[in-house]
Formats: sequence, C-alpha cells, structure tokens
Amino acid sequence: IAGITQAPTSQILAAGRRMTLRCTQDMRHNAMYWYRQDLGLGLRLIHYSNTAGTTGKGEVPDGYSVSRANTDDFPLTLASAVPSQTSVYFCASSEASGSNEQFFGPGTRLTVL
Amino acid sequence: GQNIDQPTEMTATEGAIVQINCTYQTSGFNGLFWYQQHAGEAPTFLSYNVLDGLEEKGRFSSFLSRSKGYSYLLLKELQMKDSASYLCAVMDSNYQLIWGAGTKLIIKP
Repeated sequence: IAGITQAPTSQILAAGRRMTLRCTQDMRHNAMYWYRQDLGLGLRLIHYSNTAGTTGKGEVPDGYSVSRANTDDFPLTLASAVPSQTSVYFCASSEASGSNEQFFGPGTRLTVL
Repeated sequence: GQNIDQPTEMTATEGAIVQINCTYQTSGFNGLFWYQQHAGEAPTFLSYNVLDGLEEKGRFSSFLSRSKGYSYLLLKELQMKDSASYLCAVMDSNYQLIWGAGTKLIIKP
C-alpha cells in the first residue's frame, strides 16, 4: 500500500441497505477525514478523527457513522442508505489536525437507488 | 455563516496566463489552500498561504489578502494538462477545511 486507499471504487446500493466504505492509509497520519463531493457544491466534511480512538462530527454527519480503532483504518458506515446519499466519497488524512496538507484517497462513487 | 466563492468555470488558451479568484467569509482563519482536481480523480495539494503576499511555486503562484478575504491562484505558461478544477479552501478556527465549489478551467489550444 502506498498512501491512502479506498474500497470499493464504486457501488450501486438499494435504499435501506447498510454499507461500509473502507479507507486505509500507511503514512502513520494521526488525522483522518471523510468528505462527500456533489456537483456544484464544495467538499463537505462528514466525520473526522484527530487521532486513533477519537472521532468528531463534521458539517453533514446525519446518516453516517465512523470508527477509528487504529491509526491506519477509518471506515464510514451508512446504516440505512437513502438516495440523497448518492455522491462521491473521499477519505483524506493529514499528519495532524490543522496540518498544512491533506492527502486524498481515490474516492468511492456511491449510487443509492 | 461560512462562505467560499470562486467562479464556476473559466476558459484560457494554451501558453497564456490565468488568474482564478477566491473570496471567503469564515469563522476564524488558519490558512488558505488551493487544490487541483482532474476529472474523476482525487484533489491534490497545490499551495498554502497563511500570511499576506505572494507564494510562488514554479508555474503556479498563490496570493492572499487577509484584510480583504481574498486570494487568487495564478497559472502561467498554461499547458493542456492544466485543464482541471481548482478548489479553494480555508481552514477555520476549529482547524476544519471549508471548501469552495471549485473552478473548472478549460484550456484551449
């Protein structure tokens, strides 16, 4: 693994189903983030984690949950998917909260029908 | 509320210079960032400004005026590969990034 990876690359999901988007980084970064990107809107922060064992809510957390059991992994779970959660999801990491640069994964394109 | 404004789309000619503007109103300021995002790809970091003035990095330069809530990204000697979206983001008082919707730059030969 080099950098930050996400899985799956894309997914089509029926409304009401549960889905976990995976994110793994090998840079030993303390801070990790989940964003969604929708056409015409800026990236919006869903949840973040400043260090392993802690998480926080971003701008649009409703319908999503995260966990940070270790430094490398930061999965995002949709408990019961709805069509408005159709989006491109990016995971990112930085050395620490407030660091100059965030590194982004390749994204997951999710469609909820 | 917090707001980042940048033009939706700009067109420029290969070899020319283009300036992409960004204005912001945020709760606190801990730096302004520019990212590049090619279609279908992840954003990648271009520049960071926390003090007023111009930061130059090769063909790309970024300017900040904190008193005016204003920044621009200047791209010189445009190449076709510069066709991408350019995202302006401000780090607020909670050290969270607030993002603009991005400016799609189209380069014509």
